[in-house]
Amino acid sequence: ETGVTQTPRHLVMGMTNKKSLKCEQHLGHNAMYWYKQSAKKPLELMFVYSLEERVENNSVPSRFSPECPNSSHLFLHLHTLQPEDSALYLCASSQEWGGAGGLNEQFFGPGTRLTVL
Amino acid sequence: QKEVEQNSGPLSVPEGAIASLNCTYSDRGSQSFFWYRQYSGKSPELIMSIYSNGDKEDGRFTAQLNKASQYVSLLIRDSQPSDSATYLCAVLDSNYQLIWGAGTKLIIKP
Repeated sequence: ETGVTQTPRHLVMGMTNKKSLKCEQHLGHNAMYWYKQSAKKPLELMFVYSLEERVENNSVPSRFSPECPNSSHLFLHLHTLQPEDSALYLCASSQEWGGAGGLNEQFFGPGTRLTVL
Repeated sequence: QKEVEQNSGPLSVPEGAIASLNCTYSDRGSQSFFWYRQYSGKSPELIMSIYSNGDKEDGRFTAQLNKASQYVSLLIRDSQPSDSATYLCAVLDSNYQLIWGAGTKLIIKP
């Protein structure tokens, strides 16, 4: 256990559905991240929040909408997804964002395996 | 475009031997370097961090950093079948962005 939890662990949704992924960290960290991991590709950073403010948005389609109500919780709201959005979605946290050394060590949740039909 | 390069493998190593995993990066101003292990169907797990040139040892793992040559490596001594996984290299660049490699698949053969 890394101290980062994600729900649900598996999700199957149709292209017209709306769903949300939830992440919670119990590490007292100030930064939280959403990543997408597709087969045989590097991790793709989607969003970064630092102290509840979004600091990175890497050209992610608007059908993905993040929300960070406090420093321990992060959501990813999904709507009208495409089959190519099927992937493992990973949440991570680190002590700080933009700092040096160990402040950037990221700890991952177990991920949500998303399948879009 | 800043890059982190890893050989995708698979790298096959006999049990008990030393496994050597390599990673090169493009941004000379990179700050910090991380190795993650990812088992199939699981999330990445941090196993080593290194911040200065030289070697850093932790149990059976040794991370080696050479900033002049822009490479970082991970050695696993006395390899065990449980070490079979994909190893991800991540580099904190000069803009404090974490750049990820695509990973090397390691297979330890009993």
